[in-house]
Amino acid sequence: GDSVTQMEGPVTLSEEAFLTINCTYTATGYPSLFWYVQYPGEGLQLLLKATKADDKGSNKGFEATYRKETTSFHLEKGSVQVSDSAVYFCALSSANTGNQFYFGTGTSLTVIP
Amino acid sequence: GAGVSQSPSNKVTEKGKDVELRCDPISGHTALYWYRQRLGQGLEFLIYFQGNSAPDKSGLPSDRFSAERTGESVSTLTIQRTQQEDSAVYLCASSPTGPGRTQYFGPGTRLLVL
Repeated sequence: GDSVTQMEGPVTLSEEAFLTINCTYTATGYPSLFWYVQYPGEGLQLLLKATKADDKGSNKGFEATYRKETTSFHLEKGSVQVSDSAVYFCALSSANTGNQFYFGTGTSLTVIP
Repeated sequence: GAGVSQSPSNKVTEKGKDVELRCDPISGHTALYWYRQRLGQGLEFLIYFQGNSAPDKSGLPSDRFSAERTGESVSTLTIQRTQQEDSAVYLCASSPTGPGRTQYFGPGTRLLVL
């Protein structure tokens, strides 16, 4: 079945460091891919998404490119800030599975000054 | 417009009691999802409603858990004979129909079973 595998955490970075959080997926069709973020004490919110191959989602300095050839959707940011400390979830949704969502296990990021 | 709302925001109950959690999705969203998130853990899928189709209940952990949805509006998640391992945040999300549609999450209900 469809699934998402996400880089294990926790990740600790210094401010202004480069961030990559890996995400790969398995899907029978052509899923849409998402990154959600959960800031401390808050609910999940959409960070960015891509709905077809080679699309790049971007928001708040974060980017992720939908790579069909490597079945990946890695999250990147060139220069992290303390305020980026949160848990990041990769997810997919596919019409083949009735638009059910499948989430990764989450990666905790802590950015230190 | 209004987002997904959930009530209560916090619930403390005694082991063995029943609890009912409520979710009000965004108006017009045909899909509604329930998840459980234990402390420091990822999202655990519970149940998924899509329009008038039969719900996908494959994530419900036991027969103590059930959920209903009235048309395309409010949903209730019921946990009977609560156990301490049921303590978690219960998250509801809704989305419009169609591929690539974003899920919008509510703030969650934090359940503590003593």
